[in-house]
Amino acid sequence: DAGVTQSPTHLIKTRGQQVTLRCSPKSGHDTVSWYQQALGQGPQFIFQYYEEEERQRGNFPDRFSGHQFPNYSSELNVNALLLGDSALYLCASSFLSVETQYFGPGTRLLVL
Amino acid sequence: SQQGEEDPQALSIQEGENATMNCSYKTSINNLQWYRQNSGRGLVHLILIRSNEREKHSGRLRVTLDTSKKSSSLLITASRAADTASYFCATSWNAGNMLTFGGGTRLMVKP
Repeated sequence: DAGVTQSPTHLIKTRGQQVTLRCSPKSGHDTVSWYQQALGQGPQFIFQYYEEEERQRGNFPDRFSGHQFPNYSSELNVNALLLGDSALYLCASSFLSVETQYFGPGTRLLVL
Repeated sequence: SQQGEEDPQALSIQEGENATMNCSYKTSINNLQWYRQNSGRGLVHLILIRSNEREKHSGRLRVTLDTSKKSSSLLITASRAADTASYFCATSWNAGNMLTFGGGTRLMVKP
């Protein structure tokens, strides 16, 4: 049983570009959450998807958007990249009714 | 913004010693969880304690929760070099809700 997978593992972009990160949840999980982790800090919640709808959103600008597909996989899109968007982006999956979230290995994004 | 703070920010101990990390949070919670992160990779869930529980054990891990002080502690007994990692506490209102993380404690266990 595969755990949470994310792609790509690393990505380098330049300011102003757009990026799409992908996540496949643990088998059977119906909820996907995205977190941003800056170097040396704890993860910060971006948003959560359930039944293909954005269910909760953290304090992130509209440049951050997402999508969930019928197979529960998810994408995170970031437009007009800024240097400050450089971080580790973590995807976590869970059942909506259960507290524990399972994290993927993350995508490390570097914006130059 | 972070929910709270972890203390200490960094901890260095010898193999075999116990490691204690503390976490404080600001708002009412339904549960508090501890996660481990190795070398900036994904987080691994360690243990969950609910707001109506005071103490929980899992193997070499012991977690306490004091809701009156809005604080929790994680004790790792008989530490091993493989325990070297960053440890984060995370709180949430309820199942299905976002996790709010602290800043983490970086633990180094020297062989």
